[in-house]
Amino acid sequence: SAVISQKPSRDICQRGTSLTIQCQVDSQVTMMFWYRQQPGQSLTLIATANQGSEATYESGFVIDKFPISRPNLTFSTLTVSNMSPEDSSIYLCSAVIGQSNTGELFFGEGSRLTVL
Amino acid sequence: GNSVTQMEGPVTLSEEAFLTINCTYTATGYPSLFWYVQYPGEGLQLLLKATKADDKGSNKGFEATYRKETTSFHLEKGSVQVSDSAVYFCALRGPNDYKLSFGAGTTVTVRA
Repeated sequence: SAVISQKPSRDICQRGTSLTIQCQVDSQVTMMFWYRQQPGQSLTLIATANQGSEATYESGFVIDKFPISRPNLTFSTLTVSNMSPEDSSIYLCSAVIGQSNTGELFFGEGSRLTVL
Repeated sequence: GNSVTQMEGPVTLSEEAFLTINCTYTATGYPSLFWYVQYPGEGLQLLLKATKADDKGSNKGFEATYRKETTSFHLEKGSVQVSDSAVYFCALRGPNDYKLSFGAGTTVTVRA
């Protein structure tokens, strides 16, 4: 199995500030993704992190609000910009280990953000 | 598009009771199906999966069978323990896709 390390694991942030979450995978990665899990809800895909190029965002998510980097195969960052209380969520990094359409998807333990 | 409909919770059971969580899906072609579990304070973990029709995934006493005819992947466990208390998510990945679509999650609480 793979180990996906995320930091920070949790943070309390002030409205209007930005926070960057880092994700490091210890295995050979095919794909990397960022998900959001709002309180009491399911997971929603924010974007696919593409190595060396702009991320691919899902409907309802934009680069200005959630800039993502992936400078190499095993590392990615997600920034939550200009935060408001509605951004209070768990943000999860995930990675496919193995072939894109058959490999297993692993998750980090998440970064729990609370915006005051 | 792909979607997953999962039985709503919360579900509260006594130890050794039988657990079923219903999951049905909508997809084109033959998707892969998954159950993920999120224990309190922990990250999401893959519990079991099935990649083709009639496959049965199993792990930790849990089972789910991929039923193409009913587009279902219900999760079952014959005798639950307190340690099974968690949120369970059904998920789907399309046949030529890499993204997962998740159900809403079902919170299960097992009382001693």
